[in-house]
Amino acid sequence: GESVGLHLPTLSVQEGDNSIINCAYSNSASDYFIWYKQESGKGPQFIIDIRSNMDKRQGQRVTVLLNKTVKHLSLQIAATQPGDSAVYFCAENSGGSNYKLTFGKGTLLTVNP
Amino acid sequence: EAQVTQNPRYLITVTGKKLTVTCSQNMNHEYMSWYRQDPGLGLRQIYYSMNVEVTDKGDVPEGYKVSRKEKRNFPLILESPSPNQTSLYFCASSSQGSHQPQHFGDGTRLSIL
Repeated sequence: GESVGLHLPTLSVQEGDNSIINCAYSNSASDYFIWYKQESGKGPQFIIDIRSNMDKRQGQRVTVLLNKTVKHLSLQIAATQPGDSAVYFCAENSGGSNYKLTFGKGTLLTVNP
Repeated sequence: EAQVTQNPRYLITVTGKKLTVTCSQNMNHEYMSWYRQDPGLGLRQIYYSMNVEVTDKGDVPEGYKVSRKEKRNFPLILESPSPNQTSLYFCASSSQGSHQPQHFGDGTRLSIL
């Protein structure tokens, strides 16, 4: 498959454990944040999003936490499965524009059976 | 099936030979965007389009052109490709700018020799 990055931060977990992937964003004016999952050879796939008027949002097995004080975003994956192995990106709508997303460099999650 | 389709998926070509990467979406989305993905740099936005006949530069527009004559299509044009444009390219679309999740295509791997 396609390699999406070199020297990415990596997280290795055991199947069934919970995973936490962290992201620091840059712009205190950003008002929309989103997490994507990218598997080898595929395009990024939407996981969950959150607006700046919230500090937590839950989906199926995933939770996003937003801490605006320290400009930090995290993605929690419950009961991690081998199919969760991928690169995870956070992105922010930054610069006060409605039209641009700025992506983080990604974290490689490896789930060991 | 809702999808974003890019063609070609892979292309090897030579410096200076004009090429076009096509992108088509079947979701009636107004917003479309092009990104390039490079190791260590993540996803960077090249151009985006808010609607038909409306396009604007992203973070790395140099050496690229786009057009949006129809809502469903958003081709990326490299008039005179150079080796530094060797990259993995993704097209994406969403219903309302970057405050909604973007749907990504599966990518186009360009190699410029």
